[in-house]
Amino acid sequence: QKEVEQNSGPLSVPEGAIASLNCTYSDRVSQSFFWYRQYSGKSPELIMSIYSNGDKEDGRFTAQLNKASQYVSLLIRDSQPSDSATYLCAVNLGDQAGTALIFGKGTTLSVSS
Amino acid sequence: DGGITQSPKYLFRKEGQNVTLSCEQNLNHDAMYWYRQDPGQGLRLIYYSQIVNDFQKGDIAEGYSVSREKKESFPLTVTSAQKNPTAFYLCASSWTGWNEQFFGPGTRLTVL
Repeated sequence: QKEVEQNSGPLSVPEGAIASLNCTYSDRVSQSFFWYRQYSGKSPELIMSIYSNGDKEDGRFTAQLNKASQYVSLLIRDSQPSDSATYLCAVNLGDQAGTALIFGKGTTLSVSS
Repeated sequence: DGGITQSPKYLFRKEGQNVTLSCEQNLNHDAMYWYRQDPGQGLRLIYYSQIVNDFQKGDIAEGYSVSREKKESFPLTVTSAQKNPTAFYLCASSWTGWNEQFFGPGTRLTVL
């Protein structure tokens, strides 16, 4: 059974701090990795995609991928109360593009002002 | 505006009834997907389609059916055989060759 694991949280950080969200996956051949943000009662919103080992930065967000360790993380710098949401890690099934994604159960982030 | 629309936003069903959830996209995406989300849970794949007139079962396809007669549309029918259908249903789409999936606003189905 292919799986994606995340700590459910809640992860609580003060405003302005760095939030670190982690995800591990079981399928060694996976090639595509995604972070989605989901506000309560809303649908998921894609915030980061990463395909190669290393770091990818986009504004206050940095995704980190280590395929050897089967580990992907999301760092949120200068956390804001508006970042309070559930963050879903998603990994593609298999090694081909255009296939479905497996989602983790999500980590709930709470940023206090 | 380009995007993915789902209707209705809320749906109430009596036990024993079939209901159909609509999903339409005007992004020219080839692939479309249906997921189910239960409280405190991640998304679980019901069905997906990478091309018109073709679709594949996901992990929890039992009690559901789909069709893909047009590229823009991928309706999901929740049949009376689905034992616990109350959930948040999410439709997504992507370009073929890419895994970046974009979601519609979702439909909340409640069985009375």
